[in-house]
Amino acid sequence: QQQVKQSPQSLIVQKGGISIINCAYENTAFDYFPWYQQFPGKGPALLIAIRPDVSEKKEGRFTISFNKSAKQFSLHIMDSQPGDSATYFCAASKGSNYKLTFGKGTLLTVNP
Amino acid sequence: KAGVTQTPRYLIKTRGQQVTLSCSPISGHRSVSWYQQTPGQGLQFLFEYFSETQRNKGNFPGRFSGRQFSNSRSEMNVSTLELGDSALYLCASSLAGGAPGEQYFGPGTRLTVT
Repeated sequence: QQQVKQSPQSLIVQKGGISIINCAYENTAFDYFPWYQQFPGKGPALLIAIRPDVSEKKEGRFTISFNKSAKQFSLHIMDSQPGDSATYFCAASKGSNYKLTFGKGTLLTVNP
Repeated sequence: KAGVTQTPRYLIKTRGQQVTLSCSPISGHRSVSWYQQTPGQGLQFLFEYFSETQRNKGNFPGRFSGRQFSNSRSEMNVSTLELGDSALYLCASSLAGGAPGEQYFGPGTRLTVT
């Protein structure tokens, strides 16, 4: 049972465009939603995270939008750059549990 | 501050053997989690240790085990290796009391089982 569904699997965006990655979750007990960025040969790195009491969080060019009623959240990358080309993972956890449930990942390619 | 380190970075083992992977967390971090990453299943949680105790466990067979030492360093062991155990094994450390999602990952150990 896949508890966090992520789409699309891959995404190609032109430099300067907006990249949008979507995730949907099933477990309403989830209360922490981080996004990770992974480059080839590296471990995932925390990008930005949100809790359900907030509908949007912005950090630089990265924004998380959260829709609690729809059980969906998304990552928006504004002014996408070739250096943003990586695999992005959404994740979810509940309470003080350190177990992260990850989406399957989105391979983002930003063309120059 | 040094990041999470994992050793070895690459490992080739034969089916039926066992393997031990090591993880040194960021200084001051007391929680260590392990994940398995494969192209087909993605990132899957193995277990989490805090103060030398396993706090959480994922849905992996008993062949996968781990431990944590008093200095927070952790090891994971896989016995009776199977071809399907070929994967990138990632270790992540967290501050105790920090947000659960604020986990800092190491570069991983690439295990190949032949």
